[in-house]
Amino acid sequence: DAKTTQPPSMDCAEGRAANLPCNHSTISGNEYVYWYRQIHSQGPQYIIHGLKNNETNEMASLIITEDRKSSTLILPHATLRDTAVYYCIVRVASGGDMRFGAGTRLTVKP
Amino acid sequence: DTGVSQNPRHKITKRGQNVTFRCDPISEHNRLYWYRQTLGQGPEFLTYFQNEAQLEKSRLLSDRFSAERPKGSFSTLEIQRTEQGDSAMYLCASSFMTSRRNEQFFGPGTRLTVL
Repeated sequence: DAKTTQPPSMDCAEGRAANLPCNHSTISGNEYVYWYRQIHSQGPQYIIHGLKNNETNEMASLIITEDRKSSTLILPHATLRDTAVYYCIVRVASGGDMRFGAGTRLTVKP
Repeated sequence: DTGVSQNPRHKITKRGQNVTFRCDPISEHNRLYWYRQTLGQGPEFLTYFQNEAQLEKSRLLSDRFSAERPKGSFSTLEIQRTEQGDSAMYLCASSFMTSRRNEQFFGPGTRLTVL
């Protein structure tokens, strides 16, 4: 599975959009981009995933660049409860493991 | 609640004892995964099952670790002769795999403390 690079930490003001970047320059054509988050002491929570098109659900939007070498997770109106570690993972859909890196620690501030 | 459940939520044991954790996946999910997470790190994959078949076990940390999913429903993870280095959060996840979707849903974890 392709390796990902994320900034270790980010801050965001409550009510503003949080834009979390992820680089995955070695992604293969059949690998999807997945985003998870982990709030302190809880199990990771699935947010969204995509292959090449932009995706949106009730939690977030995922923007994937045309060359698929990077992506951005957007939380449109961040709240204090969005404070968490966010993980970007690339893998084939049929794959078994998820390879979590260190993620980005997002802190939403009042 | 129809999510992934794990029991116990916390386990304290003495070094050298055996421990067993249970995971109940979301009912229609055909895959079940085990991960370990130590403080400050992301989850680390251990093993996974598709129905009752264990498809990957080379990433289990040592031969003291074993997992079963006997009827393709719940799963157990056993650690024999525990060591202090085994102290961690053990996470279970499940998924329903299709050709295009395989997102994993995680349980709350079992926190193991080895004294």
